Amino acid sequence: DAGVTQSPTHLIKTRGQQVTLRCSPISGHKSVSWYQQVLGQGPQFIFQYYEKEERGRGNFPDRFSARQFPNYSSELNVNALLLGDSALYLCASSKGTGVSQETQYFGPGTRLLVL
Amino acid sequence: AQTVTQSQPEMSVQEAETVTLSCTYDTSENNYYLFWYKQPPSRQMILVIRQEAYKQQNATENRFSVNFQKAAKSFSLKISDSQLGDTAMYFCAFNFGNEKLTFGTGTRLTIIP
Repeated sequence: DAGVTQSPTHLIKTRGQQVTLRCSPISGHKSVSWYQQVLGQGPQFIFQYYEKEERGRGNFPDRFSARQFPNYSSELNVNALLLGDSALYLCASSKGTGVSQETQYFGPGTRLLVL
Repeated sequence: AQTVTQSQPEMSVQEAETVTLSCTYDTSENNYYLFWYKQPPSRQMILVIRQEAYKQQNATENRFSVNFQKAAKSFSLKISDSQLGDTAMYFCAFNFGNEKLTFGTGTRLTIIP
């Protein structure tokens, strides 16, 4: 079975621009989470979606938004990019059975560089 | 606040040796799940092992095992017979009963041939 996939793998943007990152979960998984990993640090939670509804949100500004589609894929949008948004953005999927402490499986990430 | 601490930024061991990575945490929750993830230079975060806090028996996956000390809030990872492919960043992570994983800052492990 295919794992979590993300696109694009790399992205270069300039300050003030907007970016959309995409994620497809493992087949059969209904929950998608997004994390930001700044160089040298552990990932920080941004959002979790389950059945197209937001289940959780981390401490990120409103410039960050996301959505989940009927096929359970997801998009993360970041508006008005800042230099500090440069990071690896990781998507993780889980079965979404309603148990919060499920194992999350990660994709390869999208490396975003803001100039 | 729920925090996760990995006090070893970097470690290196000779191939075939055993290495233990440390992780401590702080939470007032009683039921939670604990994970070790591996992130090689390819960036993909790979699940190594998982432990349920309510289980007293330590989890084992082939060469990987954990030493979970709930009272001490300690969760270490032991890698036996280390291999070159074990070279990676290792993160401990916790789910404290909500939707998110809380990660430590990571330990960079290098296996020396």
